[in-house]
Amino acid sequence: GQNIDQPTEMTATEGAIVQINCTYQTSGFNGLFWYQQHAGEAPTFLSYNVLDGLEEKGRFSSFLSRSKGYSYLLLKELQMKDSASYLCAVVLDDYKLSFGAGTTVTVRA
Amino acid sequence: KAGVTQTPRYLIKTRGQQVTLSCSPISGHRSVSWYQQTPGQGLQFLFEYFSETQRNKGNFPGRFSGRQFSNSRSEMNVSTLELGDSALYLCASSPQTPGQETQYFGPGTRLLVL
Repeated sequence: GQNIDQPTEMTATEGAIVQINCTYQTSGFNGLFWYQQHAGEAPTFLSYNVLDGLEEKGRFSSFLSRSKGYSYLLLKELQMKDSASYLCAVVLDDYKLSFGAGTTVTVRA
Repeated sequence: KAGVTQTPRYLIKTRGQQVTLSCSPISGHRSVSWYQQTPGQGLQFLFEYFSETQRNKGNFPGRFSGRQFSNSRSEMNVSTLELGDSALYLCASSPQTPGQETQYFGPGTRLLVL
């Protein structure tokens, strides 16, 4: 089976930085997506990594190390609206997506 | 462009019944994937349709089935409902291949089985 691990919950203060880790052991790897999901809403795309390294997109950055089976999503200058669930999804060999259980981030004032 | 739409948004059924959920993808998108989301399991892949053919399938029992029409709209059906089928069912569309491009999710259908 596929194993994708993320912390269940994280709490941080407005203006701070939070790093959400995702480790994976999967049968094949063709990339990794990060999605954001606000409560009661659809997941929305944040980032995609297929090569090792850091991808920066405004306040959000995502890092991938294929050799370590590891990715993280970095959220900088946290805002209240960043309170949401963050989903890590690995693209398997047959291009199916296998999702982690998600990390709920709570931003406090 | 209109986003992915799903109907109905909420549904209450009883054990043993069957249910059909509908998904209309973004115009021009030919791939539609279905996922089940529960608090403990996260998003789990059900199946993916492309050009009216099931191209990929997850590890769900045969009670879960789907189809795609020539206009790319898709339906999924769950027969003989069980309590454990209570979940949020999400569909997502992409132009060609979900693993190679961004998927766009619909708002989901929340199914409660009593």
